[in-house]
Amino acid sequence: DVKVTQSSRYLVKRTGEKVFLECVQDMDHENMFWYRQDPGLGLRLIYFSYDVKMKEKGDIPEGYSVSREKKERFSLILESASTNQTSMYLCASSLYRRTDTGELFFGEGSRLTVL
Amino acid sequence: GQNIDQPTEMTATEGAIVQINCTYQTSGFNGLFWYQQHAGEAPTFLSYNVLDGLEEKGRFSSFLSRSKGYSYLLLKELQMKDSASYLCAALADRGSTLGRLYFGRGTQLTVWP
Repeated sequence: DVKVTQSSRYLVKRTGEKVFLECVQDMDHENMFWYRQDPGLGLRLIYFSYDVKMKEKGDIPEGYSVSREKKERFSLILESASTNQTSMYLCASSLYRRTDTGELFFGEGSRLTVL
Repeated sequence: GQNIDQPTEMTATEGAIVQINCTYQTSGFNGLFWYQQHAGEAPTFLSYNVLDGLEEKGRFSSFLSRSKGYSYLLLKELQMKDSASYLCAALADRGSTLGRLYFGRGTQLTVWP
């Protein structure tokens, strides 16, 4: 089974702190994603990566950055956390080639509260 | 642009049948996914349609009409454990590079005894 592991289920941070959210997948997937999920807004894509050291902005990249130094690991960074970044953060990975469906496999989520 | 629409909430009773509709407008469309998400948990894959027609998988079926930009998820013999949010997502193909999913806001289904 594909396993996507997020480093922390729950975090509480203060405004202005730097926050790292780590995600590791064990199925050699090329593609990794970071979403945030808020009530009434659904899943919104922050950043994604389709290869090591490659990254692309999603729909809401402002206030975030990412790092992909190794294929299995995709990190989301909040340089200076703000209260409007309080949310559930979901990491996902997929194996997308012409012969594959592009199904996403999700981690369990990291619930971040910024005070 | 990309636009995925689905109802916000639905309710049904145990043992009944419910149909959750989804309409999409997606350039480079290459498939439609349905995910189930229980409160506080990650989404889990339910179904994938790329060709027109109905795909049946136990109590759940999913239908796609590419010409109409329309899909539905059909849940039969509803059980209390089916109470969850159901996410419709369209896959947009970017040619030889990454395809990405565009999600609707989810339909919260409540099953009553």
